Amino acid sequence: EPEVTQTPSHQVTQMGQEVILRCVPISNHLYFYWYRQILGQKVEFLVSFYNNEISEKSEIFDDQFSVERPDGSNFTLKIRSTKLEDSAMYFCASSRTGLTGELFFGEGSRLTVL
Amino acid sequence: DAKTTQPPSMDCAEGRAANLPCNHSTISGNEYVYWYRQIHSQGPQYIIHGLKNNETNEMASLIITEDRKSSTLILPHATLRDTAVYYCIVRVVKGSQGNLIFGKGTKLSVKP
Repeated sequence: EPEVTQTPSHQVTQMGQEVILRCVPISNHLYFYWYRQILGQKVEFLVSFYNNEISEKSEIFDDQFSVERPDGSNFTLKIRSTKLEDSAMYFCASSRTGLTGELFFGEGSRLTVL
Repeated sequence: DAKTTQPPSMDCAEGRAANLPCNHSTISGNEYVYWYRQIHSQGPQYIIHGLKNNETNEMASLIITEDRKSSTLILPHATLRDTAVYYCIVRVVKGSQGNLIFGKGTKLSVKP
């Protein structure tokens, strides 16, 4: 069964460093998403992406965050200068259609900022 | 904010049906109801979704009231592996892409 894969599974970084989280969506999916979950809290929407453009972003997704689909298979989330409060599990998701298709989530990348 | 209300926790005996309720009284006519679950800190797992008709798949059944203001997810024969947080989500559609806004969900504990 096709699945969304994310790398790295766990990354530890120093505050102020740049981090790139990578995702390989399901191959025939066209809509992509990033979510995050701070330990013990709910899953929060960050950004949705389609046709090489951001469709929607939340208040969390400020200028420190960016997304990119560099090569037609990967979908990346970049945090420019990490803060302690960026420590969380980051989930990538993809869907085949934009309005009614189910989102398939990866297993997440755990980011720890020291 | 999430457009749904769920009980924070529920227990269910192994082998019995688990019925998880959800209120979504402000749902709009073209908005779907989705159910996901999250086991520990794994990625959310899709269960089922529907618009107005009842739906069934290999995992669960979804019963939506006629006025669409509430729904119930039914796991027909709960097992210990069904212990998870279950999220009822109304998919908000903006433009050509609808997003899932998660609430706090219901923590289902299946007990032997």
